[in-house]
Amino acid sequence: DGGITQSPKYLFRKEGQNVTLSCEQNLNHDAMYWYRQDPGQGLRLIYYSQIVNDFQKGDIAEGYSVSREKKESFPLTVTSAQKNPTAFYLCATRTEASPLHFGNGTRLTVT
Amino acid sequence: AQSVTQPDIHITVSEGASLELRCNYSYGATPYLFWYVQSPGQGLQLLLKYFSGDTLVQGIKGFEAEFKRSQSSFNLRKPSVHWSDAAEYFCAVGLNTPLVFGKGTRLSVIA
Repeated sequence: DGGITQSPKYLFRKEGQNVTLSCEQNLNHDAMYWYRQDPGQGLRLIYYSQIVNDFQKGDIAEGYSVSREKKESFPLTVTSAQKNPTAFYLCATRTEASPLHFGNGTRLTVT
Repeated sequence: AQSVTQPDIHITVSEGASLELRCNYSYGATPYLFWYVQSPGQGLQLLLKYFSGDTLVQGIKGFEAEFKRSQSSFNLRKPSVHWSDAAEYFCAVGLNTPLVFGKGTRLSVIA
C-alpha cells in the first residue's frame, strides 16, 4: 500500500534539545517537502528536496536541518536554535506536474 | 511574488445549504491550482486540481471549482453541504516549484 509515513504522531521534548521527525515514502516520488502549520498561518515551507543528496531552504528554514540520503527518506531535525518549535509538521511528496501527497503529520510540543 | 488569498477565515453554513469558498492568487503565469481539505490532526487530502483545459473541474465528495483567469480566482463550490464536510480547506497554486498555500478557511456546519 503506497503512502507517506510520518512518525511519531505526537512528540514531546524539553527546550534546548534537538529532535528529529521521520518521513518515509514508498510512492517513488522524487520531490519531498516539509511544511510547518500553525493555527491561522496556513502551511509554511521549511525545506524541500527534488533529488537525492540535494535540498533547498524554504521560507522558514532557520533553526531546522534536513538530509536526503535516500529517495525514500527525508528526516527533519528541529534544533535548539528554532525559537518557537511547537507546531504541527507535515511531510509531502510530489512527482513532476502532480499534486502534493501528504503524510498525517507529527505534532511537536516543546516545553 | 506568488501568493494565495483566502478571504474568509471561518464560514458557517447550515446542512443542506450551498457553499462557496473563495480563493484568489497572484502568479506570473497560469499556475496549477489545487484545493485540499484537512480534518483536525490529519494531513491534507486533495479535493481537486486544475492543470489546463475545462475551467470547471470536478473533485471528490461532490465538490467542484471554477478557474476564472480574468479574476485570478479558483473558487470551490458544493451544492449541498453535509455535516461531514466540516473541516479546514486550503487553496494552493504552483507549477513545478513548491506549492504556495493560502491560510485556509475553516468550515463549520450546523444542523
